[in-house]
Amino acid sequence: KQEVTQIPAALSVPEGENLVLNCSFTDSAIYNLQWFRQDPGKGLTSLLLIQSSQREQTSGRLNASLDKSSGRSTLYIAASQPGDSATYLCAVSGPTSGTYKYIFGTGTRLKVLA
Amino acid sequence: EAQVTQNPRYLITVTGKKLTVTCSQNMNHEYMSWYRQDPGLGLRQIYYSMNVEVTDKGDVPEGYKVSRKEKRNFPLILESPSPNQTSLYFCASSRDRAETQYFGPGTRLLVL
Repeated sequence: KQEVTQIPAALSVPEGENLVLNCSFTDSAIYNLQWFRQDPGKGLTSLLLIQSSQREQTSGRLNASLDKSSGRSTLYIAASQPGDSATYLCAVSGPTSGTYKYIFGTGTRLKVLA
Repeated sequence: EAQVTQNPRYLITVTGKKLTVTCSQNMNHEYMSWYRQDPGLGLRQIYYSMNVEVTDKGDVPEGYKVSRKEKRNFPLILESPSPNQTSLYFCASSRDRAETQYFGPGTRLLVL
């Protein structure tokens, strides 16, 4: 059964730091991996989607990498800002148990201090 | 504006009283899904739909029903709600199962 883990659960950094969030998954047979941002009391906003055939995706200050063989993805945030404070979630989709499910990690709660 | 809408946004009900949470998307997406989010457990998929009249169970389908009669709508039905279904519910859609998911704003449900 696919399991997704995100470490650390919470992270606090000063403004301007570059930081890395980690996501690991147990079953490498995935279609894609997606990173989301969730602000308190709000829905999820998609940040980056990496298809299984890709190694990385970039959007602005964000870069996500995917290593299927080791079951890992990282989200790199450059020059962090207080507005980046949110919970970051990763999710994988794939034919686990013969169906097309999405499995989410429990997230990393990020606080960027001004 | 491309969006996923959910109604109601907040709901307080009592055990056993049937309820429906509606979900609608205006992006002509084929794939739609329902999730619940609980502290410490993260988001868990309840049901998903690959297209009209095609639905399948996610990880936590017990106590829920869905239907997909039209491409844009994917209602979540709780026939006999129980307190353990108190949660924050999200609907999401994507062009297909391998594309970016767009989430609705969430429905906060309290079952007394």
